[in-house]
Amino acid sequence: GAGVSQSPSNKVTEKGKDVELRCDPISGHTALYWYRQSLGQGLEFLIYFQGNSAPDKSGLPSDRFSAERTGGSVSTLTIQRTQQEDSAVYLCASSDVTGTAPAPGYNEQFFGPGTRLTVL
Amino acid sequence: GQNIDQPTEMTATEGAIVQINCTYQTSGFNGLFWYQQHAGEAPTFLSYNVLDGLEEKGRFSSFLSRSKGYSYLLLKELQMKDSASYLCAVRDFRFNKFYFGSGTKLNVKP
Repeated sequence: GAGVSQSPSNKVTEKGKDVELRCDPISGHTALYWYRQSLGQGLEFLIYFQGNSAPDKSGLPSDRFSAERTGGSVSTLTIQRTQQEDSAVYLCASSDVTGTAPAPGYNEQFFGPGTRLTVL
Repeated sequence: GQNIDQPTEMTATEGAIVQINCTYQTSGFNGLFWYQQHAGEAPTFLSYNVLDGLEEKGRFSSFLSRSKGYSYLLLKELQMKDSASYLCAVRDFRFNKFYFGSGTKLNVKP
């Protein structure tokens, strides 16, 4: 595709409900990242997928959060039993980790438009 | 761990020059990135430094000193559309993870 896409763009849910957020990365990008951004804050790393390797889940804030990436492409971030503090914008990014210009290992991240999650 | 610091907010005048600083403490450093983020939008890539020195790209330049754990983003000939948040991010080569600062909100006034 032309860029990273995410759905839904907005999600309003009630406390205690489960939500699923979807990310479609740029075709051919082997690396996929999930971040969370609260209002006026920087990006908080959540999870990182790279090819067929085990994902780096070190940023997931609790066991209510999980993510999977099927077929090395589409990823789904699931939040179970949502809490009000989960309200934030959830951003997905993908990158091509092969070394390209301007330096070996260069791998700019391309971000999706994000999903704004509101937990009432 | 990672520790990335940027000023929270800055104000500058249209047509002027502004420098946004970023300091970091990290092991496994492999590159520093600057992103621009307009309100309500996703971050977009601005620049990348992995070696010491200045990288110039039009009105935007970015500088890196690895020994000092310091970078800055320089914006010249400021335009109103430059009003945005500017995020500094450091990549850790051991894990290919990116650590973002909290961002600097730049307000450009007429």
